[in-house]
Amino acid sequence: ETGVTQSPTHLIKTRGQQVTLRCSSQSGHNTVSWYQQALGQGPQFIFQYYREEENGRGNFPPRFSGLQFPNYSSELNVNALELDDSALYLCASSLGLPEETQYFGPGTRLLVL
Amino acid sequence: KQEVTQIPAALSVPEGENLVLNCSFTDSAIYNLQWFRQDPGKGLTSLLLIQSSQREQTSGRLNASLDKSSGRSTLYIAASQPGDSATYLCAPPRDSGGSNYKLTFGKGTLLTVNP
Repeated sequence: ETGVTQSPTHLIKTRGQQVTLRCSSQSGHNTVSWYQQALGQGPQFIFQYYREEENGRGNFPPRFSGLQFPNYSSELNVNALELDDSALYLCASSLGLPEETQYFGPGTRLLVL
Repeated sequence: KQEVTQIPAALSVPEGENLVLNCSFTDSAIYNLQWFRQDPGKGLTSLLLIQSSQREQTSGRLNASLDKSSGRSTLYIAASQPGDSATYLCAPPRDSGGSNYKLTFGKGTLLTVNP
């Protein structure tokens, strides 16, 4: 158990809908990163939040957006869902220093029909 | 752009065997390198983190080495057990000179340890 929680665990949506995924970081961690993992692939970096500000973004379109709250929990929002958005979405929290370990949550499995 | 390759893609061994998983990366300007395991459909569990200035890190039956100049890391698992069956992923975050240190992953090595 890493202390990082994600909700919901599973979600089914239809193409064109919008979805919000949530992540609670480990106590004391001020940095949250989001990753998308398609079946059979390694996780791909979506974006990172540090003290409520976006701190880097991967190669994902603007319909992927996020927020970090004062308690350092975070949301990932995806608009206009596409079939290829079906994946495991992982969040990771850390202390905001590159030499520190990132701790992952259990993930949210999203299926887009 | 950092690219990570893990070899082999899959490995099946009998219980008790020692084994080595390999990770190579294209950009040696890294902060550190982290090894994770992932059980099917689950999140990632951190196993070991090697700082860029280190060459080795050990935790129990696991030993990870890092050769930054050649862009290689290995994960050695001693006396493998069926509970070690999982996908193993390595991730070397690139030192971009800024505060963003995204993890770049390969596809991982799927390990099966047979009783």
